[in-house]
Amino acid sequence: GDSVTQMEGPVTLSEEAFLTINCTYTATGYPSLFWYVQYPGEGLQLLLKATKADDKGSNKGFEATYRKETTSFHLEKGSVQVSDSAVYFCALSGVPGSARQLTFGSGTQLTVLP
Amino acid sequence: DVKVTQSSRYLVKRTGEKVFLECVQDMDHENMFWYRQDPGLGLRLIYFSYDVKMKEKGDIPEGYSVSREKKERFSLILESASTNQTSMYLCASSPERGGLQDTQYFGPGTRLTVL
Repeated sequence: GDSVTQMEGPVTLSEEAFLTINCTYTATGYPSLFWYVQYPGEGLQLLLKATKADDKGSNKGFEATYRKETTSFHLEKGSVQVSDSAVYFCALSGVPGSARQLTFGSGTQLTVLP
Repeated sequence: DVKVTQSSRYLVKRTGEKVFLECVQDMDHENMFWYRQDPGLGLRLIYFSYDVKMKEKGDIPEGYSVSREKKERFSLILESASTNQTSMYLCASSPERGGLQDTQYFGPGTRLTVL
């Protein structure tokens, strides 16, 4: 079945450091790929998505490129801020059917220190 | 903006009680989902619904049931709460049944503690 493997955390960085959170997946067909972010005490928010190979999703300075050849969707940001401290989830969508389910990775806790 | 609301942010119940978690979305979405979130396990799908009165089991349906009597409302029911159901419960919705609009929008979550 479908699965998502995320880099284990927690990750601690200093402000303005470069961020990479690795995500690889196993899926049938051609799923959409997502990064969601969860700030403390809140639900998940969509950060970015990509729907086909070589697409790049971007938002708030974060980027991720859909790499079919390596089945990866790594999240990057050039300069993190304290306000980026959150849990980040990689996810993929299932095949079209009654409802397209999402399969999530286990999440990566990011802490950015001033 | 899509808004998904959940009836409670925090809930404390006793073992054996019947528990209702309510979720409402205001964007006329076809699909609604219930997940539980536990440390190190990510989000696991309990049940989902793609239409009024329609439901399908997710990965961990045991001990739970759901109800969708109106399109905007999706309820999760714990028939007899147990301590291993202590968790964060997240509701989500997405626009189209079987379509390409697969982005899910989440509520703020309900942290349930079963004593």
